[in-house]
Amino acid sequence: EAGVTQSPTHLIKTRGQQATLRCSPISGHTSVYWYQQALGLGLQFLLWYDEGEERNRGNFPPRFSGRQFPNYSSELNVNALELEDSALYLCASSLVPSGYYNEQFFGPGTRLTVL
Amino acid sequence: GENVEQHPSTLSVQEGDSAVIKCTYSDSASNYFPWYKQELGKRPQLIIDIRSNVGEKKDQRIAVTLNKTAKHFSLHITETQPEDSAVYFCAALNQGGKLIFGQGTELSVKP
Repeated sequence: EAGVTQSPTHLIKTRGQQATLRCSPISGHTSVYWYQQALGLGLQFLLWYDEGEERNRGNFPPRFSGRQFPNYSSELNVNALELEDSALYLCASSLVPSGYYNEQFFGPGTRLTVL
Repeated sequence: GENVEQHPSTLSVQEGDSAVIKCTYSDSASNYFPWYKQELGKRPQLIIDIRSNVGEKKDQRIAVTLNKTAKHFSLHITETQPEDSAVYFCAALNQGGKLIFGQGTELSVKP
């Protein structure tokens, strides 16, 4: 069974640009979660999508947005990039929606660098 | 607000010793507490989890305890090995379905 995949592996942008990160969940998983892991910090919850709907979001500004497609893959968009957006962005998926004690499986992450 | 405090931030032990990492959560409605291990340059992987209706769970050398009254939960690793060296994250699932992570503990097991 293939795991969670993310693309691209690395992304370099300049301040003010937009970044698009992609995630494909494990087959059969309907929930997708996005986390930001800045250097030396823990994982900060960004967004949760289930069945195409945004279910919850973390304490991030509106320029962080995303969507989930009918095939359950997901996209994270970051507009008006700032230097402090440089981080590893991790996507995770779960078989059933969060709240039912089930494991979230993580992808390898996209390393975003903002210059 | 929602918060998970994790201590210590770094932990160094000799091979064969035990390691204990402690976490405290703020949302009393939290009902699920997973622990993830993240090796350098790799993705976090679940090593053990516990639900709020259970006080303790063990899986070989790893155990987790939960004290709901005190809102504490801990990870215990016995007979540590060099391959246990990694960053460990605790997390708590809050009522809104958010998984709130602690800041991580960098465990170093010296041979």
